[in-house]
Amino acid sequence: ETGVTQTPRHLVMGMTNKKSLKCEQHLGHNAMYWYKQSAKKPLELMFVYNFKEQTENNSVPSRFSPECPNSSHLFLHLHTLQPEDSALYLCASSQDYGGAGYTFGSGTRLTVV
Amino acid sequence: DQQVKQNSPSLSVQEGRISILNCDYTNSMFDYFLWYKKYPAEGPTFLISISSIKDKNEDGRFTVFLNKSAKHLSLHIVPSQPGDSAVYFCAASTVGSQGNLIFGKGTKLSVKP
Repeated sequence: ETGVTQTPRHLVMGMTNKKSLKCEQHLGHNAMYWYKQSAKKPLELMFVYNFKEQTENNSVPSRFSPECPNSSHLFLHLHTLQPEDSALYLCASSQDYGGAGYTFGSGTRLTVV
Repeated sequence: DQQVKQNSPSLSVQEGRISILNCDYTNSMFDYFLWYKKYPAEGPTFLISISSIKDKNEDGRFTVFLNKSAKHLSLHIVPSQPGDSAVYFCAASTVGSQGNLIFGKGTKLSVKP
């Protein structure tokens, strides 16, 4: 399998649940990203990992917790989310940190009820 | 304050005609600009990019124009095809910096047969 793969594609969770989003890239890239896409808003950068080290956390609430066990895998752990957290969560990777184009996954459509 | 602005949320064009999608930016430090295309239920895919040392880059039916003095770029698609119907995101970055891609809100293009 090639590219950036995200699972699950859809997730419905209650506000007291704990769930995790998974992202895997088979491109040999060194940097991975989590983005959030809400309706009528730009794509918002949440977290950046470069060579497995977190290099950026854009003031994301602690109910979102990222994990990057190796440069091919990225997780987003979710707990006690709010309905306003419902959005499309996109994972991306790039050869190097910052700058030139990213490869995105298809996203996880999250609904918090 | 949004650094990358796509002021037209939608655009409708007849097949065979030219589509022009516009993007404005406020940060004069941006020196690399990209366009991404997104179909429903898929992640954004890279379309075309331009460095600030150029004012035009062409790839088949797609041409991106950059006007640095006006902090404006545009994507021209000619001739437009129904398969071009998608959401187009403009993104900007400062290559090699700690910055990452900053996205606009997107413009939904509909190409009618």
